[in-house]
Amino acid sequence: GENVEQHPSTLSVQEGDSAVIKCTYSDSASNYFPWYKQELGKGPQLIIDIRSNVGEKKDQRIAVTLNKTAKHFSLHITETQPEDSAVYFCAAKKGAGNKLTFGGGTRVLVKP
Amino acid sequence: GAVVSQHPSRVICKSGTSVKIECRSLDFQATTMFWYRQFPKQSLMLMATSNEGSKATYEQGVEKDKFLINHASLTLSTLTVTSAHPEDSSFYICSAGHPSTNEKLFFGSGTQLSVL
Repeated sequence: GENVEQHPSTLSVQEGDSAVIKCTYSDSASNYFPWYKQELGKGPQLIIDIRSNVGEKKDQRIAVTLNKTAKHFSLHITETQPEDSAVYFCAAKKGAGNKLTFGGGTRVLVKP
Repeated sequence: GAVVSQHPSRVICKSGTSVKIECRSLDFQATTMFWYRQFPKQSLMLMATSNEGSKATYEQGVEKDKFLINHASLTLSTLTVTSAHPEDSSFYICSAGHPSTNEKLFFGSGTQLSVL
């Protein structure tokens, strides 16, 4: 089955700097890659996603890039703010349906 | 995004009792919902896929008789942890896919279960 690796597991950045989280997937048939933000004691919140027919997508301060050949995708957060502090999960899906395979998560701390 | 409501947010129960967790899609109908389990500082582990009107599909290693799933309507799925034990203590989260957005999954707020 699909395997998703996520790095780093923890990331500490200064407010205003950029944060980058990388994920690799194993199944070349995967075609949908969402990113979720999870705050303590809450459920994950979808923040951005990308399909395999697109190389890059941006939404204000967050962007996702996808390299299908290398089978990796990344989340970029620019101008980080303290409220960006959370755990971020990448995921991958193949085929129809909604069954996702999640990465291990990255705990991001933005220091004021 | 679509709203998925999960209740209760926190429950404490005695060992041997059963606990029911509800997951509702508030503004859409979901033929499929998913139940996850999450241990502290770990990723989400898919437990089962809940299918409206039919039996749930469980992931390998998940006990069907322990974690009963019922998806009786297009807006409600329930997870019942039967004869709970301390090792069942965990954060349980449900999710549902909005039909109009095809692939996007929206999550409930989670339920922290503590079994004494």
